[in-house]
Amino acid sequence: NAGVTQTPKFRVLKTGQSMTLLCAQDMNHEYMYWYRQDPGMGLRLIHYSVGEGTTAKGEVPDGYNVSRLKKQNFLLGLESAAPSQTSVYFCASSYSAVSYEQYFGPGTRLTVT
Amino acid sequence: KNEVEQSPQNLTAQEGEFITINCSYSVGISALHWLQQHPGGGIVSLFMLSSGKKKHGRLIATINIQEKHSSLHITASHPRDSAVYICAVKNYGGSQGNLIFGKGTKLSVKP
Repeated sequence: NAGVTQTPKFRVLKTGQSMTLLCAQDMNHEYMYWYRQDPGMGLRLIHYSVGEGTTAKGEVPDGYNVSRLKKQNFLLGLESAAPSQTSVYFCASSYSAVSYEQYFGPGTRLTVT
Repeated sequence: KNEVEQSPQNLTAQEGEFITINCSYSVGISALHWLQQHPGGGIVSLFMLSSGKKKHGRLIATINIQEKHSSLHITASHPRDSAVYICAVKNYGGSQGNLIFGKGTKLSVKP
């Protein structure tokens, strides 16, 4: 099993450009999450999904959109990147919401210039 | 005030020392997680607990629900334990499944 994978690993964007980050998991997990990690701050939830075809906003959703068309994939989109979106993005998945550990992807380091 | 507070922020130890990292939280929780983030950036779940104590190898995690406090202990520390240790809680009132994270404790173990 590959676990949770993320593509790409690194990306540099210019302000205003768009991109999509892909998260894939092969553990048949229902729940998937997108977090961002910034220096001096804990991980913050951007969006999450409780199953195929469903998405919901987290703590910091502005400027991002997500889709969960297939159970194994969770896409994070930036329509018009801003320097404030420079961050490391982590995807995670879990079997269920209550008392199940989350499995994290390796992260995507995004720089917006 | 952050809902999850960790102490210390940074910790340097000599190889072989016993290490304690603390986590205090202010919300009602259903579970508490300890995670390890390697220098390369990957995040691994170490423990998930809702009461008592769990042990895995040289790592021990305890939680006191009444005091809203958890500790992560590392016995016989080794340089390979150098990492950021993150405490996260699943609170009753939050969005389904998401965790509230502490800012992490950066541990450096010197040989």
